[in-house]
Amino acid sequence: DTAVSQTPKYLVTQMGNDKSIKCEQNLGHDTMYWYKQDSKKFLKIMFSYNNKELIINETVPNRFSPKSPDKAHLNLHINSLELGDSAVYFCASSQELTRGGETQYFGPGTRLLVL
Amino acid sequence: QKEVEQNSGPLSVPEGAIASLNCTYSDRGSQSFFWYRQYSGKSPELIMFIYSNGDKEDGRFTAQLNKASQYVSLLIRDSQPSDSATYLCAVNRIWGKSTFGDGTTLTVKP
Repeated sequence: DTAVSQTPKYLVTQMGNDKSIKCEQNLGHDTMYWYKQDSKKFLKIMFSYNNKELIINETVPNRFSPKSPDKAHLNLHINSLELGDSAVYFCASSQELTRGGETQYFGPGTRLLVL
Repeated sequence: QKEVEQNSGPLSVPEGAIASLNCTYSDRGSQSFFWYRQYSGKSPELIMFIYSNGDKEDGRFTAQLNKASQYVSLLIRDSQPSDSATYLCAVNRIWGKSTFGDGTTLTVKP
C-alpha cells in the first residue's frame, strides 16, 4: 500500500497551459504539504494544510492554487505554466504535533517539464 | 545568510569509514531537527530526528545537536556504498513549516 501517492508521475506540457497534480495519503495524517525541488535539488516548501485549512503559504505566485477537499487529499493547480515552473513537485504528510511528529512522509514526486 | 546551511559537497569516503555531515541553522527558536536521505530520482525519506541537545543513536547513524552553537550533525559509521545519496537537513521552528538545507551528496567508494 502506497502511503503518499501522487498523480501524474510525469507531466510534459506547453507554456501557458493549466495543469493539476493530485496527492493522496492513507496514513491518517492531519497535515499535508507541497514542495518544489529545482534542478539544483533545493527543496522548498510551497504550502501546508492542516485538516483542510491552509496554514503555510510561502511566497508562491498566485498561479499556484492548492486545494484540500478533505484531510487525505491535497491537490495543486497551476495556471499559465512558465518555463521556470519545471521542477519536481513533492507532496508530503505528517501527523499533528507531538515532538517528532513533524516527521514528513513524501510522495514519489511529479516531474513537471514546461516546454 | 541561508536559514539552513549544510557543508558543501560532494563528500567522498571509503567503504567502512565514518561519514560526517554537518548543518547549521540561523533561527534560535528552532525546535526540531531532521535528517532525510534522498537517492537520485527518488523522494526524501527520514533517517532520524532530534530535538534535545546531545547525541541520538540509531544503528549506524548518530545525530548530534548543539542548540547553543546552532549546529546539528549526522555521523554514519561503517559507511556502505548503499549510503551513497544526498542528505538533507531540515529544521522546524513553527508547525507546518520545515526549512531544508541544500543537501550534501555523499559517495561511499567500495
